[in-house]
Amino acid sequence: EAQVTQNPRYLITVTGKKLTVTCSQNMNHEYMSWYRQDPGLGLRQIYYSMNVEVTDKGDVPEGYKVSRKEKRNFPLILESPSPNQTSLYFCASRPGQVDTGELFFGEGSRLTVL
Amino acid sequence: AQSVAQPEDQVNVAEGNPLTVKCTYSVSGNPYLFWYVQYPNRGLQFLLKYITGDNLVKGSYGFEAEFNKSQTSFHLKKPSALVSDSALYFCAVRSGFQKLVFGTGTRLLVSP
Repeated sequence: EAQVTQNPRYLITVTGKKLTVTCSQNMNHEYMSWYRQDPGLGLRQIYYSMNVEVTDKGDVPEGYKVSRKEKRNFPLILESPSPNQTSLYFCASRPGQVDTGELFFGEGSRLTVL
Repeated sequence: AQSVAQPEDQVNVAEGNPLTVKCTYSVSGNPYLFWYVQYPNRGLQFLLKYITGDNLVKGSYGFEAEFNKSQTSFHLKKPSALVSDSALYFCAVRSGFQKLVFGTGTRLLVSP
């Protein structure tokens, strides 16, 4: 089954404790992206990757890091989480480097930073 | 800069009645427009898109959307709502090689 898989789905952590949210897709998509969803703000892009070893900042990259060492994986790293990073995070992918198609989303990862 | 507006936080409709979820956009070139739906505790799912061609676009689950260039709108519609249509709906737009921009979402509540 074609899918985007995120882990963990739910996480409660404390300020400053490094964490990684993994994202993997099995559709051989070149483009991958991370979003955060907050009430009243919709989805905001954190980082995106057009292909392996190519990453770029989105609208709200502060406090986050990403890497794209393999085509299928695009982990989101919070080096020192803070409470304002409490949010619902989505990973998404799509084929090709030209954005004419729809995004495929993971199920989401709800993160709480205390 | 690109932007998209969903003026209603919530839309309430009775089952069997037609529904409309509104979306207006602002882009500098030709728009590519999308609708996504998010069910509780799930990721966003693609519903439909407008790239070019007919202004009326048909998508999944009986939904359709009408592209109106003069009003810069892309409203989502369904002739007869189902309780199972209750979800959060997002409109999104991009133009050229710009990134995709999402609206803030509209919660649709269909009552039995």
